This record gives sequence, C-alpha cells and structure tokens, in this order.
Amino acid sequence: AQSVTQLGSHVSVSEGALVLLRCNYSSSVPPYLFWYVQYPNQGLQLLLKYTTGATLVKGINGFEAEFKKSETSFHLTKPSAHMSDAAEYFCAVRPAPGDKLIFGTGTRLQVFP
Amino acid sequence: ETGVTQSPTHLIKTRGQQVTLRCSSQSGHNTVSWYQQALGQGPQFIFQYYREEENGRGNFPPRFSGLQFPNYSSELNVNALELDDSALYLCASSLGGGGDYGYTFGSGTRLTVV
Repeated sequence: AQSVTQLGSHVSVSEGALVLLRCNYSSSVPPYLFWYVQYPNQGLQLLLKYTTGATLVKGINGFEAEFKKSETSFHLTKPSAHMSDAAEYFCAVRPAPGDKLIFGTGTRLQVFP
Repeated sequence: ETGVTQSPTHLIKTRGQQVTLRCSSQSGHNTVSWYQQALGQGPQFIFQYYREEENGRGNFPPRFSGLQFPNYSSELNVNALELDDSALYLCASSLGGGGDYGYTFGSGTRLTVV
C-alpha cells in the first residue's frame, strides 16, 4: 500500500535559517507529490506539486521541493525562514491518476525570532 | 473566481445524532472530495464525487454518506455519531475526476461529538 512518511513531527528554526521538512513516500509507480500548508483553524493551501518533468519544483512563499526517485523523497526547503512560515505542513502523494490523496501525519514548523 | 466554501464552520452534536455538512465547490470544478482530519493527524480520504456519482471511497463505514448536486456542491452526512467522529472535515474540489489539475480545499467544518 502506498504511504507517506514525514520525519519529525516538530521542527524549530530561527528566523532567517534554512527550513528543511522531510517527506518520503512509497509507491510502485511514479506518483504525483504535493506539499500543503495549514495555518491554525484553516484548511489546506497548496504550496507546490510535482507531476512530471523537472524534478525541482518551485512553489509559493519561496518554498521549493525536489523529487528524488532513487531516494523516494520529496523534501521541502526554504532558504530563509520567516515568522509567517510557522504552520503545519503536510506532504501528500497521489499514487496514480484518479486515486485519492494520501497524506502524511504533518510537521509543525516553529520559527523563533 | 470563488474558492471552496464549507458550512457550518463549527458544530457540536450529541453521540447518536445525525449531521449534515455542506460544501460549495470552486467555480468550474466538477469533482468534490471529503477528508476527515482528526486532531494531530493528517487528513484521511472519506469519498469523492464526480458528476454526481461516487467514484472512490476510503475506509469509512456506511454511516458516512454523501451527495453531489447538479451545481457540483456536495453534502457529507454522518449517521449515529460516535465520539471518534470529532474532527475537522475538509472538502476539496477539482476539475476532472482524477484531480489532475490540483485540488482546492475549503477551511473545513470542525465537528465536536459529546
């Protein structure tokens, strides 16, 4: 069965520091991969997605992620954290067209001044 | 274009009762999916509707049911509520049954069962 693993339920960084949120997936076929952000008491907002083509994907708010098939990873990065980045981040996989989204358990990002 | 709208935003029900949650899809989207997000967890897929027909279902019992209307809005109905049904219920709309064009999520309905 397909699954998504997010390493680290909590990540803390200082403002201006690098943000790295880890995501590994299991899928028997090349999947579609997504990162969503959830602010308190809100729904999910799409940060970026990988479908086909270029493996380095740029998203909103300065985030990017790289699809590495050999490592089955899709880690999310941002060069310089901002206080407004504090939120819950979810990695999701859609194993094949028509399939549902499978989410990881989320990583809460805290940003300290 | 309007986004996905869910109502109500908060709801408190008693165990054994029934509840109906509503979702208006983004303009131009014909597919609606429902997810349950328990506290501290990622969203779990409940089911999806495409052109008024259910075309995918997750591991949820039959007391979770839904409808999609000709204007592509949708309802999620839960019968015989249990305490474990307390969660944030998220609706997502997309264009095309496979969601190839991405999903837009609403802000959710927080259901508390007491």
